[in-house]
Amino acid sequence: AQKVTQAQTEISVVEKEDVTLDCVYETRDTTYYLFWYKQPPSGELVFLIRRNSFDEQNEISGRYSWNFQKSTSSFNFTITASQVVDSAVYFCALFRSSARQLTFGSGTQLTVLP
Amino acid sequence: DVKVTQSSRYLVKRTGEKVFLECVQDMDHENMFWYRQDPGLGLRLIYFSYDVKMKEKGDIPEGYSVSREKKERFSLILESASTNQTSMYLCASSPSLDRILKGYTFGSGTRLTVV
Repeated sequence: AQKVTQAQTEISVVEKEDVTLDCVYETRDTTYYLFWYKQPPSGELVFLIRRNSFDEQNEISGRYSWNFQKSTSSFNFTITASQVVDSAVYFCALFRSSARQLTFGSGTQLTVLP
Repeated sequence: DVKVTQSSRYLVKRTGEKVFLECVQDMDHENMFWYRQDPGLGLRLIYFSYDVKMKEKGDIPEGYSVSREKKERFSLILESASTNQTSMYLCASSPSLDRILKGYTFGSGTRLTVV
């Protein structure tokens, strides 16, 4: 079975702090894709990043960075110097080509306080 | 700007009513999906469709059905609404499998309350 676990239900930080959102996944597939989505209060999920199972290179995009470690089945997301606008629910998701669908974690509610 | 549009942002229905949730996408995507989102449970897949007039059950199809008569429209039907179907419903679409790697595009959601 495939599964995505986001153990942190809620995180609260003060603006300018760094914060890491954890994601652990389970799959027997050798080829798969991992995603992060952001859901602001407006409700619409916004795509942030995709990683392939065969590419463990970490990625940085502005204040966002992602750490993919196949050995621990983790795909963690770090926001550096957090801002109030980062407040949202963040979802990690796993896509298996064999199933042709995304499986989502339960989400982490991030609140950044001014 | 590409869009997935859900017809209602908020809906209140009575127990036993037949409810239609509509979703339209303007990206010519082959694949469409219905999820429900509940606190602590994340997004759970109800039904999906890879082509017109085809549908497949997701993880929680009980109490729901779907219709896809046209490529751009995917409807979720609650045959007889119950209070445990009170939830946020999200529609999504994506291109064909070989182009799916750009992720799904989601609508803004419909918050359904069944009283």
